[in-house]
Parts: sequence; structure tokens; C-alpha cells
Amino acid sequence: EIVLTQSPGTLSLSPGERATLSCRASQSVSSSYLGWYQQKPGQAPRLLIYGASSRATGIPDRFSGSGSGTDFTLTIRRLEPEDFAMYYCQHYGISPRIFTFGPGTKVDV
Amino acid sequence: QVQLQESGPGLVKPSGTLSLTCAVSGDSISSGYWWSWVRQPPGKGLEWIGEIYHSGLTNSNPSLKGRVTLSLDKSNNQFSLIVTSVTAADSAVYYCARVTPLLTSAGNYYYGMDVWGQGTTVTVSS
Repeated sequence: EIVLTQSPGTLSLSPGERATLSCRASQSVSSSYLGWYQQKPGQAPRLLIYGASSRATGIPDRFSGSGSGTDFTLTIRRLEPEDFAMYYCQHYGISPRIFTFGPGTKVDV
Repeated sequence: QVQLQESGPGLVKPSGTLSLTCAVSGDSISSGYWWSWVRQPPGKGLEWIGEIYHSGLTNSNPSLKGRVTLSLDKSNNQFSLIVTSVTAADSAVYYCARVTPLLTSAGNYYYGMDVWGQGTTVTVSS
């Protein structure tokens, strides 16, 4: 079973700054099966990144993902006020087919 | 535009059965996607519960130890979740989501939850 850990738990930044969020898997995973979601208070999550580095439809290019093996990163190039939210990484396992979320990183001002 | 809407009782008694429905509009549940449930306890993170394919094939989170049943209602274009023997730990916001295969740069498919319902709160209490 894949376990995902995220760091830091909370990232305190200001608008315009760069945010770097980390996701670590308990064992090496294919980057194809790693994604990132954003969730704002009172809202459903939104898919940001899939396949570790591909932006989902409608996601601004200030969001980027990278990584391989056990270490993955979500970078927000210049924080906009609407980017302050929770961010979850997710692994999609193909055999068995199971979805695992990390505990999340809160980006706050 | 695809929309999902969860519905069901907001209060369930301990040891009882939680039953939720997700109504789909703007798409057919027979169109070839997986349809999933995710929950979020108050102040906590996301937990995947399970999913159902348009053929009726299902997968669920082993952590729920067989308490989960998923089903389709094609005539009403909706799918449902049943969780049995609930405890306070099952109190959460429950989301339904569409799972879409997304082609990655490596040529594989990542299954992403690209459309979500707004969520419905379920409290387990006597």
C-alpha cells in the first residue's frame, strides 16, 4: 500500500511569492499516476495536475508539477489571492485500482 | 456542462446504514467513465471510498472492510453509495465525482476526478 506524506503541513506566504509543496511516496511510484488537487474552504476539491506535471483543463500556468520516484513537487510561481487553499497529492494505483490522498498542505497568508 | 449532486439523510444512527445518491446531469453514467465517492471528516483530509464503472464493476477502499456497496441506476442517471454499520468515524462530507482517463506525457492514463458534486454532510449520532 502506498502512503503519501506532504510537507510542510502549513506554508505561510504572501501574494506574489513562490510556493513549493512536497509530496513523498512510501515507495517508488510511476509519475504517470501522481496528481494534485486544490481545495478551498467549503468547496469540493479541484484537479490541478495529473501525471505529475500535466495541468488539468483551465488551470493557470503559474501551477506546475514535477518529480519522479518517491519525491514530487507542486510549485505555484506567483501566488494569487485565490491560491490560498489546501493542496492534496494523490496516487492512483492500477493494481489493485485504488486512490490514495496525502494529508494535505495548507497555503495561507 | 456536467454536474453532480449528492443527496441523502444528513443524520444516521450508530450501527445504522448510510445511503447516498449522486444525480448526474449533462452526461450519461453509461458513457464510459468511472464514478467515485470521496469523503472528508470534519477538519481532516480526503479519503477515497470507492468507485463504480458504467458496466457495474466496482472497486472500494480496503480500509472500509467490506462495509461499502456501490450501485448504478441508469434509468435515473444516478449512482449510489451504501455504508453499513456506521460509527461516528463515518461522519463526514461525502462527495461524488466523475473519474476521467487523462493521457499523460508518458503515454499512460491517469484517472483524475475532474467533476465533483458540492458535497453532502452526514453525521452519525444517536
